[in-house]
Amino acid sequence: DTGVSQDPRHKITKRGQNVTFRCDPISEHNRLYWYRQTLGQGPEFLTYFQNEAQLEKSRLLSDRFSAERPKGSFSTLEIQRTEQGDSAMYLCASSLGSRGLDGYTFGSGTRLTVV
Amino acid sequence: EDQVTQSPEALRLQEGESSSLNCSYTVSGLRGLFWYRQDPGKGPEFLFTLYSAGEEKEKERLKATLTKKESFLHITAPKPEDSATYLCAVLRESGGGADGLTFGKGTHLIIQP
Repeated sequence: DTGVSQDPRHKITKRGQNVTFRCDPISEHNRLYWYRQTLGQGPEFLTYFQNEAQLEKSRLLSDRFSAERPKGSFSTLEIQRTEQGDSAMYLCASSLGSRGLDGYTFGSGTRLTVV
Repeated sequence: EDQVTQSPEALRLQEGESSSLNCSYTVSGLRGLFWYRQDPGKGPEFLFTLYSAGEEKEKERLKATLTKKESFLHITAPKPEDSATYLCAVLRESGGGADGLTFGKGTHLIIQP
């Protein structure tokens, strides 16, 4: 297992376009998380899945954002009608524990630039 | 609302010069406090989870401690490869709240040879 994989690593898009990111977690991990990180800030929680169920969404996740995890495997995060304020690093993480205490394994992120 | 404040924002040390990073937190019921290391262009790398006041954990030159209001990450005789941003995060006990981590802004640590 090579850890948590995210694709693409970098994405430049024009304002108003839709973008989709993919995350492949560690195969035996049942929990998957999405975070957003801007320069000089810590990661901010967006949403998480336990298996295929999306159990929690932050108020940061506006209606333009949607996440899916079909069959409890990989996950996608889509941003519709991108805005310049969406420019950030989007991080995916996965964990095995039922209480989230085992320490997440993060991917290297997808850096989004909206021009 | 959960809050995590880390200090200092940046710290420059000479190789071998020990120091401590601080993480002050406010959370309604702490499930766990986490320390991560983040290198430029990469995702955070898990270091420790602390669960209750008085707990300590060690890994190589790093030692994390926890009180009811803050956590410290002590770095003993650091080497240049310890240079990174160190992030602190808290996880609240469930009960309708978000199950995600609340992170601080991090301490950017530079170890000069």
